[in-house]
Amino acid sequence: SYVLTQPPSVSVAPGQTARMTCGGNDIGSKSVHWYQQKPGQAPMVVISYDRDRPSGIPERISGSNSGNTATLTISRVEAGDEADYYCHVWDSSSDDVVFGGGTKLTVL
Amino acid sequence: QVHLQESGPGLVRPSQTLSLTCSVSGGSISSGDYYWSWLRQPPGKGLQWIGFIYHSGTTYYNPSLKSRLSTSVDVSSNQFSLKLTSVSAADTAVYYCARGPHSWDTNGDFDLWGQGTLVTVSS
Repeated sequence: SYVLTQPPSVSVAPGQTARMTCGGNDIGSKSVHWYQQKPGQAPMVVISYDRDRPSGIPERISGSNSGNTATLTISRVEAGDEADYYCHVWDSSSDDVVFGGGTKLTVL
Repeated sequence: QVHLQESGPGLVRPSQTLSLTCSVSGGSISSGDYYWSWLRQPPGKGLQWIGFIYHSGTTYYNPSLKSRLSTSVDVSSNQFSLKLTSVSAADTAVYYCARGPHSWDTNGDFDLWGQGTLVTVSS
């Protein structure tokens, strides 16, 4: 089965740039979606189809996907960005939705 | 504005069947634009996809849960439901219903989520 690998944690100071990766075999050939989940809340999509921002998501949040790594980038990080972030793809070989294990973003 | 709300028992005995319903308001399940999904999250752990269903009854299920899983849609009530049989403590989780993916693309995202409901499996 397809596996997505995310670092368990990323820490960044306010105002800096946070980069969170999602690794998978030839993930660049798949569509990657990213979700933000704050404590006690349901997940919310922040990037769909590698780089599309849903309405209401600030331009500070962006995505890219190439080769074996997809990346979620948050520029000018704010305290309110502190959350868990999950990547998601569809594995067409097994008709299965796959999530990464999640990355906890800590704002120092 | 579309809103999703899960409902069902918060406690299920081991070996019994877990049943949940998702009520959709502000939009029609039968519009044909989306699949309707179930996901879960064990306490302190990551997200797991359970499955999704189209209003016509077409389903896609997590291969690891497929043998215990059934889902259904009630277009007249604008609801969809989940049944998971032979539950164990490993099925304890917050269960979410969600909208998505788009009906024309199973590669798509889950763009709207319910608030989630905690189901505990315990005797």
